[in-house]
Amino acid sequence: QQQVKQSPQSLIVQKGGISIINCAYENTAFDYFPWYQQFPGKGPALLIAIRPDVSEKKEGRFTISFNKSAKQFSLHIMDSQPGDSATYFCAASKNTDKLIFGTGTRLQVFP
Amino acid sequence: DVKVTQSSRYLVKRTGEKVFLECVQDMDHENMFWYRQDPGLGLRLIYFSYDVKMKEKGDIPEGYSVSREKKERFSLILESASTNQTSMYLCASSLGGLREKLFFGSGTQLSVL
Repeated sequence: QQQVKQSPQSLIVQKGGISIINCAYENTAFDYFPWYQQFPGKGPALLIAIRPDVSEKKEGRFTISFNKSAKQFSLHIMDSQPGDSATYFCAASKNTDKLIFGTGTRLQVFP
Repeated sequence: DVKVTQSSRYLVKRTGEKVFLECVQDMDHENMFWYRQDPGLGLRLIYFSYDVKMKEKGDIPEGYSVSREKKERFSLILESASTNQTSMYLCASSLGGLREKLFFGSGTQLSVL
């Protein structure tokens, strides 16, 4: 049973554009929402994470927006660069439990 | 930097063979995990371990077992490999809680023929 739904499955963006990846969840007990970034041939690595006490978290060009009432959170990549081309996974967790990952989004940024 | 090393990058095995995937981490992390990654299915947890000799089933443990005899090493075992176990296998470790920052290895692409 998929508890974190991620979309789109793939995304093509022009250099300088904004990349947006969305995730939705059902379990209102989730209280930790990280994003992982995976480059080809590498394992995923933690990119940025948010907890539900804030609606937005920004680190450089990467921003997580969180909508608790809609049970949705999204990753925005501003001024997308070819070096951002990777697969992105959202995840969620409740209490101190293990992470539940989304299905992944393959982002390609073309110059 | 934490390093998680998986013994093989590519592995080709025959149906019915017993397969061992090895993972070693060098930062004294308590928790270790095995995931498989399949297109369109994301990262699915097979097993995890929060201490030496301790193991817990993840979401898809069927057909797999694990071993953790030493803190730094976590092995995934396919007792009798099947073609539906062809996949990318990722090992990870974390310090503290199970959801704390996961450090992943580069993966082992296993093909079962």
